[in-house]
Amino acid sequence: EVQLVESGGGLVQPGGSLRLSCAASGFTFSSYTMNWVRQAPGKGLESVSAVTESGGDTFHSDSVKGRFTISRDNSKNTLYLQMNNLRADDTALYYCTKGHRRDGYSHWGQGTLVTVSS
Amino acid sequence: DIQMTQSPSSLSASLGDRVTITCRASQSITSYLNWYHQKPGKAPELLIYAASNLQSGVPSRFSGSGSGTDFTLTISSLQPEDFATYYCQQSYSNPPTFGGGTKVEIK
Repeated sequence: EVQLVESGGGLVQPGGSLRLSCAASGFTFSSYTMNWVRQAPGKGLESVSAVTESGGDTFHSDSVKGRFTISRDNSKNTLYLQMNNLRADDTALYYCTKGHRRDGYSHWGQGTLVTVSS
Repeated sequence: DIQMTQSPSSLSASLGDRVTITCRASQSITSYLNWYHQKPGKAPELLIYAASNLQSGVPSRFSGSGSGTDFTLTISSLQPEDFATYYCQQSYSNPPTFGGGTKVEIK
């Protein structure tokens, strides 16, 4: 059974940093593109970042480019999102998702909540 | 970025009803369109990928159609577990943008 378990969320002040993690199991992690998608409270879905199977190629949305960095450790079956210079509008539930966008995101974690507030 | 517009933003329907949700892209995305639904307090789930392909394990009452800029998700006979918010997502280019959602409620 595929499992994606996010962690690392919490309350942080504007300008602060957090690192999210997503522990994957139940599939060959190194064979899949992985992604972060976020959802602000009561709002819709927004693609944040994606990383290819090897980690060699990454994508970041314009809203987080230069502040967030996606990475992965295939030896640990873990996906990361380093979030720096956080802003109030980064407040959201952050989901880890499996799969290339062309195939659809077939599995989602339960999400980890990031709250940016003073 | 490619903009995705869903309609309606919400609808009320009864059990057994046929429900149709539309999604329009701001430019052609050929058939690169995915559909998800999200139940309250839960993560989204993939229903349809590449416009018309049913994800494994998804009931056959769900179907998708369309190409270019106009797409449709149809639920042939609404069931209790289908009351949720539905999102389309273009997968043609980065960033893979989502529509604003369609909330399906009980009439």
